[in-house]
Amino acid sequence: AQSVTQPDIHITVSEGASLELRCNYSYGATPYLFWYVQSPGQGLQLLLKYFSGDTLVQGIKGFEAEFKRSQSSFNLRKPSVHWSDAAEYFCAVVGLSGTYKYIFGTGTRLKVLA
Amino acid sequence: SQTIHQWPATLVQPVGSPLSLECTVEGTSNPNLYWYRQAAGRGLQLLFYSVGIGQISSEVPQNLSASRPQDRQFILSSKKLLLSDSGFYLCAWRTSGGGSGANVLTFGAGSRLTVL
Repeated sequence: AQSVTQPDIHITVSEGASLELRCNYSYGATPYLFWYVQSPGQGLQLLLKYFSGDTLVQGIKGFEAEFKRSQSSFNLRKPSVHWSDAAEYFCAVVGLSGTYKYIFGTGTRLKVLA
Repeated sequence: SQTIHQWPATLVQPVGSPLSLECTVEGTSNPNLYWYRQAAGRGLQLLFYSVGIGQISSEVPQNLSASRPQDRQFILSSKKLLLSDSGFYLCAWRTSGGGSGANVLTFGAGSRLTVL
């Protein structure tokens, strides 16, 4: 069955420090991959997506993610975290055909220390 | 531009009461529509998705149901709410067309349901 694993439930970093959020997926073929961010009580906003091509993708707010097929991973990175990045981050996958069911990980809550 | 509306934003209901959450999309046609539930520590659970009017697929056995009476309207319902139905419900849509926005899931602001 398709699944997405975000092994870190909570991560705390200091403002200005680098960030990496992990995401691993299980899928029969290479799916489309996404990272979303959610502020408290809000809907989800797309940060970036990977469909094909260059395995390093750039997103909004200075985030980037790297797709590694051999590791079935799609980790999210930011070189310098800002206090406003504190939120919950979700990794998601969807198959390239058929029913287009988007599967989400359980999320990683990011806390930023001043 | 495309927008998605959900209402009500907040709802407090007693156990055993009915539920109706509504989602409407503007600025697109024939979207794929989704209902997700978010419970603490469990991420987003796909409840229902729809590829067209009257076409509903259920992902999780539960006492919830969904309907799509119009192309851009998606309704989540229950006849009798349970305590376990509490959570944050998110509606989302995906364009079935091409372009740069294709295959991206766009979310509404969510509906917070508390069952007492």
